[in-house]
Amino acid sequence: AQKVTQAQTEISVVEKEDVTLDCVYETRDTTYYLFWYKQPPSGELVFLIRRNSFDEQNEISGRYSWNFQKSTSSFNFTITASQVVDSAVYFCALSGFMNTGFQKLVFGTGTRLLVSP
Amino acid sequence: DAMVIQNPRYQVTQFGKPVTLSCSQTLNHNVMYWYQQKSSQAPKLLFHYYDKDFNNEADTPDNFQSRRPNTSFCFLDIRSPGLGDAAMYLCATGGEMNTEAFFGQGTRLTVV
Repeated sequence: AQKVTQAQTEISVVEKEDVTLDCVYETRDTTYYLFWYKQPPSGELVFLIRRNSFDEQNEISGRYSWNFQKSTSSFNFTITASQVVDSAVYFCALSGFMNTGFQKLVFGTGTRLLVSP
Repeated sequence: DAMVIQNPRYQVTQFGKPVTLSCSQTLNHNVMYWYQQKSSQAPKLLFHYYDKDFNNEADTPDNFQSRRPNTSFCFLDIRSPGLGDAAMYLCATGGEMNTEAFFGQGTRLTVV
């Protein structure tokens, strides 16, 4: 069975601090995808990144960066120089494939990030 | 412009009174998903459509049904809402295999 663990329930930082959100996953699939989504107070899930299981390159997008390590089954997310607008719940998710051939997202329980001025 | 639209954003219903939540998309995606997200929990897949083919998760209660009359619209029907069904309901769409799912803003359901 697939599982995603986000051990940090809530993190509080002061603006401009760097913060890393941890994600550990379990799967027996050899091909899978990992995602990060942001859920602001308005409720929608905003896509941040997708990474496939064969691509272990780290990625940087502006203040965001992701570290994928297959050896430890981790896909951690770092926000550099955090801002108040980064306050949200962040979900890590793992895709498995359903019998329709389309993916089913299994989410972690989320990490609430609070960035104070 | 919003690509996955859910209406209403907030819905209050009485215990046992049928309620319908709606979702529309402008992305022309084959797949539409319904997720349930209870307070401080992860979203949980209820079912999905691939075109008109309906696929139920094994642990989705019979109380939950869905309809997809065309590519653009999908409905979630809760036949007899209980207090435990109070949650955020998220609709999402997916295109070609391995692309990300696009989520709507959700409908927050309160059962009184």
